[in-house]
Amino acid sequence: GENVEQHPSTLSVQEGDSAVIKCTYSDSASNYFPWYKQELGKRPQLIIDIRSNVGEKKDQRIAVTLNKTAKHFSLHITETQPEDSAVYFCAAGEGVNRDDKIIFGKGTRLHILP
Amino acid sequence: GAVVSQHPSWVICKSGTSVKIECRSLDFQATTMFWYRQFPKQSLMLMATSNEGSKATYEQGVEKDKFLINHASLTLSTLTVTSAHPEDSSFYICSASPQAEQYFGPGTRLTVT
Repeated sequence: GENVEQHPSTLSVQEGDSAVIKCTYSDSASNYFPWYKQELGKRPQLIIDIRSNVGEKKDQRIAVTLNKTAKHFSLHITETQPEDSAVYFCAAGEGVNRDDKIIFGKGTRLHILP
Repeated sequence: GAVVSQHPSWVICKSGTSVKIECRSLDFQATTMFWYRQFPKQSLMLMATSNEGSKATYEQGVEKDKFLINHASLTLSTLTVTSAHPEDSSFYICSASPQAEQYFGPGTRLTVT
């Protein structure tokens, strides 16, 4: 089955700087890679996703890159703000049908320092 | 995005009792829903895939007789934690997909005393 590794587990960056979170996956059948943001006590929120037919996707200050050959994908947050402080999870799955499951990484706790 | 609700948002029960958690898709039909468990400061662990009109598919290591799943309609799945014990205390979250993206319910915090 799929195994998703996520690094680092904790990340502190100065406000205004960039943050990068990296994930690897094991199953070559995975083609869908979403990223979720979870604030304390709340539900995970989908912030961006990418499919294997593209190498990069950007949405304002958030970007995701995918290297399918190396089975790596990364989340980049630029110009970080205090409200970016949260736990971020990467995930991987086939993403073809709505009954396709996704497997989560262990999460990265991002602290934005004032 | 799609809206998924859960009820209750929190519940406290005594050891040995059973607790039912509901997951509803409010603005779309969901033939499949997913149930996750999340311990404090840990990741979301997939417990089972709930399939409308058929048996749920459980992940390895999840006791199907302890975590009963029923998906009787296209908008409702229920998870029943039977004979709950303190180690079952956790945050239980469901998700559903209108297409391929999963949207999560607000979660249910279960505390077993």
